[in-house]
Amino acid sequence: GAGVSQSPSNKVTEKGKDVELRCDPISGHTALYWYRQSLGQGLEFLIYFQGNSAPDKSGLPSDRFSAERTGGSVSTLTIQRTQQEDSAVYLCASSLVLHNEQFFGPGTRLTVL
Amino acid sequence: TQLLEQSPQFLSIQEGENLTVYCNSSSVFSSLQWYRQEPGEGPVLLVTVVTGGEVKKLKRLTFQFGDARKDSSLHITAAQPGDTGLYLCAGARFSGGYNKLIFGAGTRLAVHP
Repeated sequence: GAGVSQSPSNKVTEKGKDVELRCDPISGHTALYWYRQSLGQGLEFLIYFQGNSAPDKSGLPSDRFSAERTGGSVSTLTIQRTQQEDSAVYLCASSLVLHNEQFFGPGTRLTVL
Repeated sequence: TQLLEQSPQFLSIQEGENLTVYCNSSSVFSSLQWYRQEPGEGPVLLVTVVTGGEVKKLKRLTFQFGDARKDSSLHITAAQPGDTGLYLCAGARFSGGYNKLIFGAGTRLAVHP
């Protein structure tokens, strides 16, 4: 595709349920990043991938959060047993190589009731 | 605690006015990026500044990186309604083998016709 795509665009779930958020990076981009943006806050780094490896998982808020990337392309962010404080916009970005410009997707707005 | 402080948080001005947005930190960054984000979309990179004291111009936008590479400013001349959006600064720090971006909370700008 022409840009980074994310699905779903909106997700409403009940507290305690698991959710999966998907990111399709720009073709050929080796680095992929997940961020969380809460209302009134900047972007909070969650995790990044270089290829299929995740060298830096330091931003994941708890062990309920996990992410994987397969084939050096699509990535899935999974949140287990969602809590209301997980409500936020989850943004994915990719870049051709590390250090270069990050191209962001439109985000997934997650609402936990 | 925000590592990068942006000010002001909100700015509402009339078309044709000038404005300056500030991004301050006590930490040194290898580079600093400015992004603009519109509702329902991901941030889009405007500029990257690398050298202390560097000034970059993008049409009516002027970006400056502080001499010590700890702060930056964005100045908009003769603001237009199309400039409305959330302006985010992001400092890059080399950590864990890659340049990690640390985002400020953003300045929400509204330009009224």
